[in-house]
Amino acid sequence: QKEVEQNSGPLSVPEGAIASLNCTYSDRGSQSFFWYRQYSGKSPELIMFIYSNGDKEDGRFTAQLNKASQYVSLLIRDSQPSDSATYLCAALRGSQGNLIFGKGTKLSVKP
Amino acid sequence: DAGITQSPRYKITETGRQVTLMCHQTWSHSYMFWYRQDLGHGLRLIYYSAAADITDKGEVPDGYVVSRSKTENFPLTLESATRSQTSVYFCASSESFRRLQETQYFGPGTRLLVL
Repeated sequence: QKEVEQNSGPLSVPEGAIASLNCTYSDRGSQSFFWYRQYSGKSPELIMFIYSNGDKEDGRFTAQLNKASQYVSLLIRDSQPSDSATYLCAALRGSQGNLIFGKGTKLSVKP
Repeated sequence: DAGITQSPRYKITETGRQVTLMCHQTWSHSYMFWYRQDLGHGLRLIYYSAAADITDKGEVPDGYVVSRSKTENFPLTLESATRSQTSVYFCASSESFRRLQETQYFGPGTRLLVL
């Protein structure tokens, strides 16, 4: 079982809708969780990090963490075509300090 | 502010050749990482370094060598390239162990093709 699991998608939503991206992790020792956005042919760029249970909002993005269920999610409100990308969920492995990535969910926002 | 750079951006080589991918960061970050990204596998850690002269293996280290004589540089060497090492390689850095809780900065990547 991979340590960080994501639905590969593609997830297609209409412009203006809410996109919901989900991620589960297996290592209960994971300390922080990250959402990166990656456009085709580009490097990952950080959208948000979260390490406390609950919600964290930043503009149109809301990250949610439930450590009991080992579940992380990202909501994108008012989705725009420019949000079309692959979204990578990652967990921080505390012992090494490196990130364990999921395989990514491809999001397509249709005009 | 150059940030984190990688060179070359694209490389074609042949099986058996030695290849070195360079990573340079201008922030004096302590932590540096090398990841490879492949279809179907996502990003996987090859090696990481917590400081100059301190390196350690990640998930997929076989066939790779790293060094870190200076804080700002973290080269990755493929000693004898194989076709399975065809991939996109990303270097990343973070200021400190505490800052790892919040982010890692990624370089632009190197696309490597081994024929």
